Formats: sequence, structure tokens, C-alpha cells
Amino acid sequence: DGGITQSPKYLFRKEGQNVTLSCEQNLNHDAMYWYRQDPGQGLRLIYYSQIVNDFQKGDIAEGYSVSREKKESFPLTVTSAQKNPTAFYLCASSIDWDGQETQYFGPGTRLLVL
Amino acid sequence: AQTVTQSQPEMSVQEAETVTLSCTYDTSESDYYLFWYKQPPSRQMILVIRQEAYKQQNATENRFSVNFQKAAKSFSLKISDSQLGDAAMYFCAYRSLYNNNDMRFGAGTRLTVKP
Repeated sequence: DGGITQSPKYLFRKEGQNVTLSCEQNLNHDAMYWYRQDPGQGLRLIYYSQIVNDFQKGDIAEGYSVSREKKESFPLTVTSAQKNPTAFYLCASSIDWDGQETQYFGPGTRLLVL
Repeated sequence: AQTVTQSQPEMSVQEAETVTLSCTYDTSESDYYLFWYKQPPSRQMILVIRQEAYKQQNATENRFSVNFQKAAKSFSLKISDSQLGDAAMYFCAYRSLYNNNDMRFGAGTRLTVKP
């Protein structure tokens, strides 16, 4: 089946620890995105990537890092610099970064701080 | 910057009835895209319907339709013949035509469907 997978479903982070959220897609989409969702709020863009080996900061990139070494994969690292990481994280992809294509979402990862 | 406002934090509808969810947005652009996404308890975001601003005809997908009022910058979602499976958070979203990364979401409306 084609789609976007995110793992793990739940992730626990200790103080001062870096953690990495996985996002994989087999839709052959060019663009990929990371969003953060907090209770009672809509989604906010963390990072996006239009093509392999290229990515750009979104509205709330501080304390996060990404890589795009393969078209299919766009992992997000939550660093110790992110002081309030508890949230629901959604990965999305679209077929073309400047086209008219819709963004499709993965199932999400909930990150909790111990 | 573009903003999206959903003024109804919660809505309720009786099964088989019709409900309308409101969305307004602010933009200086003339061409853009608007979306409604559904987020059920599983938390996965599912596309419900999308509208291109240059199209005057309102988009329709089965029981879901929109009322797009470009001058008023309004984009409401109508759900007809509501079903229990329609219960979810609904998010309105705006996307710039020129920047695919520039996608703005409203805060969401929680829809409850009563049997």
C-alpha cells in the first residue's frame, strides 16, 4: 500500500536528550513537511523539504533539526534546545513543492517528556 | 501573514441532520487553495475537500460541500446526512498558490454526532 508512515507512535524523552522521529513515504512525493500540533491549536510548520538534500525552516524551527538524504525519508530530531517538546508531531508529503497538489499526512507521533 | 479563524471550538449535530462549520481567513493574495481536513480520534489528518480560489463553483465531495465566499473570505463546510463516523476535529487550512510550504491551519472545530 502507498502511504506515509511515522514511527514510533509514542516517544518519551528525558531531559537533555535528543530524540529522532521517523517519517517515510512511498508515494514518490517530492516535498515533505513536519508539523507540530498542540492541544487546542492548529498545525504549525517546523521544517519542509522540496527536494533531496535541501530543506528550509518553517515558523517554529528552533530546537529542531532535519535531514533529507533520501526522497523517501525525512527524519526530525528534537534536540535538547527545544524546551517544550511535548506535542503531537505530524509528517506530510506532497507531489510537488510548487504545484497544486494536496498535502497528505502520516499517522503522527506523540512525544512526551519524562 | 495569512491567518485562518475557526470561530466554533465545538459543534454538535444529530445523526442524519446537516451541520455547517465556519471558517474565515485573511489574505492579500488573489489566488490560493483552501482545504478542510478531518482528524478523528486516531489523530491522522484526512483530506475532506479542497477548493481553488480561482474557481467560482463550490467544491463537493459526496455528503461534504463548501460555501466559498471569496469577497467575504469565508469558507464554510456543510456536512449533510451526518453519520457517527463524522465525529472528529475539523481543520480549515489555507495554502498560498505560490508557496506550497505556506500552509496555515485554523485552531479546529470539534464535531460531535449524537445518535
